[in-house]
Amino acid sequence: NAGVTQTPKFQVLKTGQSMTLQCAQDMNHNSMYWYRQDPGMGLRLIYYSASEGTTDKGEVPNGYNVSRLNKREFSLRLESAAPSQTSVYFCASIRTGGIVSPLHFGNGTRLTVT
Amino acid sequence: AQSVTQLDSQVPVFEEAPVELRCNYSSSVSVYLFWYVQYPNQGLQLLLKYLSGSTLVKGINGFEAEFNKSQTSFHLRKPSVHISDTAEYFCAVSDDQGAQKLVFGQGTRLTINP
Repeated sequence: NAGVTQTPKFQVLKTGQSMTLQCAQDMNHNSMYWYRQDPGMGLRLIYYSASEGTTDKGEVPNGYNVSRLNKREFSLRLESAAPSQTSVYFCASIRTGGIVSPLHFGNGTRLTVT
Repeated sequence: AQSVTQLDSQVPVFEEAPVELRCNYSSSVSVYLFWYVQYPNQGLQLLLKYLSGSTLVKGINGFEAEFNKSQTSFHLRKPSVHISDTAEYFCAVSDDQGAQKLVFGQGTRLTINP
């Protein structure tokens, strides 16, 4: 059982380049999330998808777009990367019923923008 | 609006010593509280949660936390730590069991010295 799989694990971009971070879960979860983790700031929610076909902004959505491709997959796109987007990105999912269910996290994508 | 403050960014302790990681929250209504743990190079996983009922909550790996409404705190404790407890610990809060979003604290890095 793979759980939540994120690709790539590492990425280096130049300022202005674009890329898509991929996330897939095989647990039949309804809700999926994208967080960024920065030292001293904990996890901040970028976007989430409560169910297939819906997406909503989180705390720090600027500079990002998302696509809930199907129930399994939720991608995060950086259209024009900036150094401020250097971070570790985590995808997570929840079975159903809101946050009382445990969030299941992927192992993260470490992104550096130069 | 909810917020979470973890009072210590780093906590070093010796193996087999007790530890307490502090968490304070602010919320205007009912509150649901969580502790997540992140081992090196991994995503987060749920340690324990308080939804209602007994204010003392037991979690995995011998950890427990106490909900104190008057002090708006949810401190995490373990009576005797092991090297394998070295990780970063995050406190999180929501004001709605059906909510799709958690607010995370800044994290506390627990380092166990032999």
